[in-house]
Amino acid sequence: GIQVEQSPPDLILQEGANSTLRCNFSDSVNNLQWFHQNPWGQLINLFYIPSGTKQNGRLSATTVATERYSLLYISSSQTTDSGVYFCAVARAGKSTFGDGTTLTVKP
Amino acid sequence: KAGVTQTPRYLIKTRGQQVTLSCSPISGHRSVSWYQQTPGQGLQFLFEYFSETQRNKGNFPGRFSGRQFSNSRSEMNVSTLELGDSALYLCASSFGTPEAFFGQGTRLTVV
Repeated sequence: GIQVEQSPPDLILQEGANSTLRCNFSDSVNNLQWFHQNPWGQLINLFYIPSGTKQNGRLSATTVATERYSLLYISSSQTTDSGVYFCAVARAGKSTFGDGTTLTVKP
Repeated sequence: KAGVTQTPRYLIKTRGQQVTLSCSPISGHRSVSWYQQTPGQGLQFLFEYFSETQRNKGNFPGRFSGRQFSNSRSEMNVSTLELGDSALYLCASSFGTPEAFFGQGTRLTVV
């Protein structure tokens, strides 16, 4: 199956700092999503981005499908950005998640 | 528009028992997928249903089964529970594109 690697596994920032999270995948995919898991366990959709670049407020994402990676950018981080960020890819109807990046934003 | 609804939110069961979890997708969504999240294995795909048919399946034993009803609501059943089945079970629905929307999950504890 497809392998999904996220880096870094852990990231600690001061409030106001910028960060880049990376997701590498081992094969071509027809879907890629970024999620933020809240403290209660729900996965919150950030981006559906099989290719190209999207922006939503302080967050933006870029997927370069031909090179099999995606980047999630968080600018001017806030304490509420803390949590686990997951990348998920899908191929032939089966989804595979990375192990996540745990982000801690300190005030 | 209501989101994906999973019930119950929390559940405690004894080893050997069986359990049924429910998922109501977003109105109009016909695809429902189930995932298991554990600290050791991360998020793993269980299966996907579309129009009452299982369309895809992950690598889980036959104790894990599911079904989908004509109104797209889905249930997942785990028989002969083991301690290792303790996990957060997440359901997602989608419509058209593969973009998935998740519910809040059911946290199952097996004692």
